[in-house]
Amino acid sequence: ILNVEQSPQSLHVQEGDSTNFTCSFPSSNFYALHWYRWETAKSPEALFVMTLNGDEKKKGRISATLNTKEGYSYLYIKGSQPEDSATYLCAFSTNAGKSTFGDGTTLTVKP
Amino acid sequence: GAVVSQHPSRVICKSGTSVKIECRSLDFQATTMFWYRQFPKKSLMLMATSNEGSKATYEQGVEKDKFLINHASLTLSTLTVTSAHPEDSSFYICSAQRSGSGRNIQYFGAGTRLSVL
Repeated sequence: ILNVEQSPQSLHVQEGDSTNFTCSFPSSNFYALHWYRWETAKSPEALFVMTLNGDEKKKGRISATLNTKEGYSYLYIKGSQPEDSATYLCAFSTNAGKSTFGDGTTLTVKP
Repeated sequence: GAVVSQHPSRVICKSGTSVKIECRSLDFQATTMFWYRQFPKKSLMLMATSNEGSKATYEQGVEKDKFLINHASLTLSTLTVTSAHPEDSSFYICSAQRSGSGRNIQYFGAGTRLSVL
């Protein structure tokens, strides 16, 4: 059983604050690490897919880093806005094609 | 692009009835689709992997006779919860992978909330 852990479980920040959260995953048989953003009543949406140790990806104010040797990824949000409020899921996959998801970090940004 | 439609979004049924949930990729072909179940405040739990034209692969502990999966075309997979009972009440969500794409990116439907009375 592959264990993917995310922390914290939930986070409340003020608009304008920067924040980050963690995803830890098994360091063996690594294929890819995904971050998804899931807004209430919508479909989870792919943010990043990372495959190489040291990868850094950026989309607007959101960025992510990857350390496959120690088995963790960080997601950073700079200058949080209320529209960033969502649950952020990470998913680890081996070459088998399927992914194992963490429980998610629910971010609430207060205006 | 990469839109996945899941229907219905919510269903309430009586105990003992069967419920069918559809998952369609609207603008791409999906060789592989996944079905997940989510328990309150928990992660997406993979139930089965559905491959077009072949039998689904079920995860350990998931009853294949209870949760029937059919992937008859490159754009449609269905999950049928047979003889539903209150313990089957849950949130079910599907995802699809583009045929030929790498890195296992999944495109999700919006989910189905099943309530069994």
